[in-house]
Amino acid sequence: AQKITQTQPGMFVQEKEAVTLDCTYDTSDPSYGLFWYKQPSSGEMIFLIYQGSYDQQNATEGRYSLNFQKARKSANLVISASQLGDSAMYFCAMRWDQTGANNLFFGTGTRLTVIP
Amino acid sequence: DAGVTQSPTHLIKTRGQQVTLRCSPISGHKSVSWYQQVLGQGPQFIFQYYEKEERGRGNFPDRFSARQFPNYSSELNVNALLLGDSALYLCASSVLSGMGETQYFGPGTRLLVL
Repeated sequence: AQKITQTQPGMFVQEKEAVTLDCTYDTSDPSYGLFWYKQPSSGEMIFLIYQGSYDQQNATEGRYSLNFQKARKSANLVISASQLGDSAMYFCAMRWDQTGANNLFFGTGTRLTVIP
Repeated sequence: DAGVTQSPTHLIKTRGQQVTLRCSPISGHKSVSWYQQVLGQGPQFIFQYYEKEERGRGNFPDRFSARQFPNYSSELNVNALLLGDSALYLCASSVLSGMGETQYFGPGTRLLVL
């Protein structure tokens, strides 16, 4: 069965420093997609970055990069130059193409706190 | 362009009542998905609709139902509310329903069942 694991319930980082949020997954399907979303206290899930299982290069979007290690089944999010506005919950999510449905399966999230 | 909108933002109901939540997708998006997020957990998939047809259903009881309208907006209905239905209900839209599609979420509806 497919599974997403985020082992860090909470993380702290100093402003302007980089931080890595961990995500591991388990699937036997060769075709899947990995996503990271940010959820501020307002509740809205904000899309950050996407990595396809067949993508050769690690995805990057501005200050966000995804450290994709396929053999280890990990997809860690790296946030560079942390800002106070980065304080939020971060969710790793996966989708695979078994049924054709576009549904996401989420981990339990990591609460990131940026310290001034 | 406007993002995904949801209404109402907050709702308080009592056990046994019925509730309808509404979602309008981003203009041009034809697929809508619904998720339930209980406090302290990640969102859980409830339904996906594409072109008014159900494309997927999560592990939720038949008390949960949904539909999509010709303008691609959607409603989620929950009957016979239980205390455990208290959650943030999130709607997400995407252009198509394929695996490579990114879903964009609305602000959610916070439902409290007393």
